[in-house]
Amino acid sequence: GAVVSQHPSRVICKSGTSVKIECRSLDFQATTMFWYRQFPKQSLMLMATSNEGSKATYEQGVEKDKFLINHASLTLSTLTVTSAHPEDSSFYICSAQKGQRGAYEQYFGPGTRLTVT
Amino acid sequence: RKEVEQDPGPFNVPEGATVAFNCTYSNSASQSFFWYRQDCRKEPKLLMSVYSSGNEDGRFTAQLNRASQYISLLIRDSKLSDSATYLCVVNGASSGTYKYIFGTGTRLKVLA
Repeated sequence: GAVVSQHPSRVICKSGTSVKIECRSLDFQATTMFWYRQFPKQSLMLMATSNEGSKATYEQGVEKDKFLINHASLTLSTLTVTSAHPEDSSFYICSAQKGQRGAYEQYFGPGTRLTVT
Repeated sequence: RKEVEQDPGPFNVPEGATVAFNCTYSNSASQSFFWYRQDCRKEPKLLMSVYSSGNEDGRFTAQLNRASQYISLLIRDSKLSDSATYLCVVNGASSGTYKYIFGTGTRLKVLA
């Protein structure tokens, strides 16, 4: 199987606070995980690539000091949204990469809906 | 030009109809191609990978045309449960990584 979990599934926080989202691969090890953001009626936008044991690689326009990523083990990556603002309200989805070079597939977590008030 | 382009739809079709979606991509070096399905407010789920020779899984058939840089998905005998957004996904091979590039998705509504 290829099951990916995310926690929490939904969070409401006040502006200025920080929120941590966990992404876990439950039945396989993932050296690489990805974090996406999806606004309503838009496609998934890759925010960063999370590599176990090394620094994350951020996409252009994504602030690394605002979206802190830690991939401390082969089954866990975390995304912390620091000093959240209402414009950070979105659907955050992680995925974990499984397979071998040339035949990778990504499996997605169920997503975390963040609302910043 | 977007890296992956899809007709956003919606496609409204009656049950039992055959419907086809197309997707074009701009990076000729892309190596892997997928169709994902996303239900409202849910995560994307892998529907099928797309192989050069074309592949079929039940009512679903995927085709890849590398020369024209497009991918297609054909759904036969559509069911109400097929209603969803279908995402075309291409890997970003040019950077040497396996990043996915998503199309904006095509919405399908199957009507009773």
